[in-house]
Amino acid sequence: QSALTQPASVSGSPGQSITISCTGTGSDVGAYNYVSWYQQHPGKAPRLMIYDVSNRPSGVSNRFSGSKSANTASLTISGLQAEDEADYYCSSYTSSSTVVFGGGTKLAVL
Amino acid sequence: EVQLLESGGGLVQPGGSLRLSCAASGFTFSNHPMSWVRQAPGKGLEWVSAISNSGGATYYADSVKGRFTISRDNSQNTLSLQMNSLRAEDTALYYCSKARVVWFGVGGLDYWGRGTRVTVSS
Repeated sequence: QSALTQPASVSGSPGQSITISCTGTGSDVGAYNYVSWYQQHPGKAPRLMIYDVSNRPSGVSNRFSGSKSANTASLTISGLQAEDEADYYCSSYTSSSTVVFGGGTKLAVL
Repeated sequence: EVQLLESGGGLVQPGGSLRLSCAASGFTFSNHPMSWVRQAPGKGLEWVSAISNSGGATYYADSVKGRFTISRDNSQNTLSLQMNSLRAEDTALYYCSKARVVWFGVGGLDYWGRGTRVTVSS
C-alpha cells in the first residue's frame, strides 16, 4: 500500500488561508469518505483534526475544514495563527481493510 | 480522562523480538477498535496494525504482516503488539491509538499515547 501524496511543505502569513492536498487512488481516498487529518507539533503525539472527510471533533477550531473530490482530499486552515505551525498528515481507509497515511506536510506560519 | 500508556520499547538486535503494551483508561475499552501507528526518527506516520473492539478481527500493514501480532485483553483494558523478526527499518516511536467509533477505519483515531521507542540495532 503506497502512502498518500501530500506536499512536503506549505506556508502562509497570519490571517491567511492555506490548503493542503492529499492525493490517493480509487482504492482509498476515492473509494471511501473515511479520510482523516492529524496535526502534530514537534515532540508531541498526533491530534485528530478532521474525520470522515469534513467532520471536526469536539474542541477543534472551526478554522479547520476538510473536503474531498475524486481521489484528492483537502484540509483548509483559515485565519492562520502561529499555533497552527505543525506537521499535518492525512489518512484514509483502504479497500484492503488497512489504513494508509500521507507523507506529511510541514506548515510554516511566516 | 482518556489515557493511553505504552510500554515495552527498547533496544533489540536484528532478528529479535519485543512485546509492546498499552494500558488504556478513561473510556469503555471494549467498545473501540485500537491501532498501533509508528513514526521512524524524522519521518512521517505509518499505520502498523489494528484490532476490532472484540478482538475477533485483526489488520496489518504489509510491512509487518507475518512478523507482528496484535492482541487485546478487554478484561484488563490492555492492547499488545508482539513483534518478531525485527529489522532495522522497524526502528520507530510506536503509538497506541483509540478509534473514535466502533468500526475500524471509520471516524479517525481520536486519542493517542505518548509512544514507546523501539530501536533495532546490533
